[in-house]
Amino acid sequence: EVQLVESGGGLVKPGGSLRLSCAASGFTFTDYSMNWVRQAPGKGLEWVSSISDSSTYIFYADSVKGRFTISRDNAKKSLYLQMNSLRAEDTALYYCTRKVVAAVSPTPIDYWGQGTLVTVAS
Amino acid sequence: DIQMTQSPSTLSASVGDRITITCRASQSISNWLAWYQQKPGKAPKLLIYEASSLESGVPSRFSGSGSGTDFTLTISSLQPDDFATYYCQQYYTYPLTFGQGARLDIK
Repeated sequence: EVQLVESGGGLVKPGGSLRLSCAASGFTFTDYSMNWVRQAPGKGLEWVSSISDSSTYIFYADSVKGRFTISRDNAKKSLYLQMNSLRAEDTALYYCTRKVVAAVSPTPIDYWGQGTLVTVAS
Repeated sequence: DIQMTQSPSTLSASVGDRITITCRASQSISNWLAWYQQKPGKAPKLLIYEASSLESGVPSRFSGSGSGTDFTLTISSLQPDDFATYYCQQYYTYPLTFGQGARLDIK
């Protein structure tokens, strides 16, 4: 069974830092690029960042560029998101998601974890 | 960035109804479009990919169509389990972008 289990969320003050983790199981981790997608309370979905299977390619949303760092450890089948200089507008449920790696064509996000809540407030 | 615009934002319908949700991209994305269903307190679930391909295990009452900039999600006969919020998403290029969502309510 595919599982993506996020952890590391919590309450943090503006300007603070937090590191999210995602433990993957039930599939071949290196066959997938991994992504973080967030959802502010009562709002829609916002893509945050993606990392390719071998960490060669990394992408960020403009809203987090320079503040967030995505990484992965294939040996541990884990994905991470280091979040620095947090702002109130970063408050959201952060989902760990996967996209299968394909040689030629783009692929969709096909599986989502249950999310970890990050609250930025003083 | 490619903007995705869904309409309507809210839709009220009854069990057995046929409904359509539309999604427009601000530039051509070929057929690199996905539809997701999200129920309250749950993670989104992939329904449709490549604009019209049904994800494994998704009921056949769901269908998708379109290419280029205009896309639709159709539910042929609404079931009680279908009342949820639906999002389109382009995966043609980064940044990946989602529509604002369409909430489907029971009339």
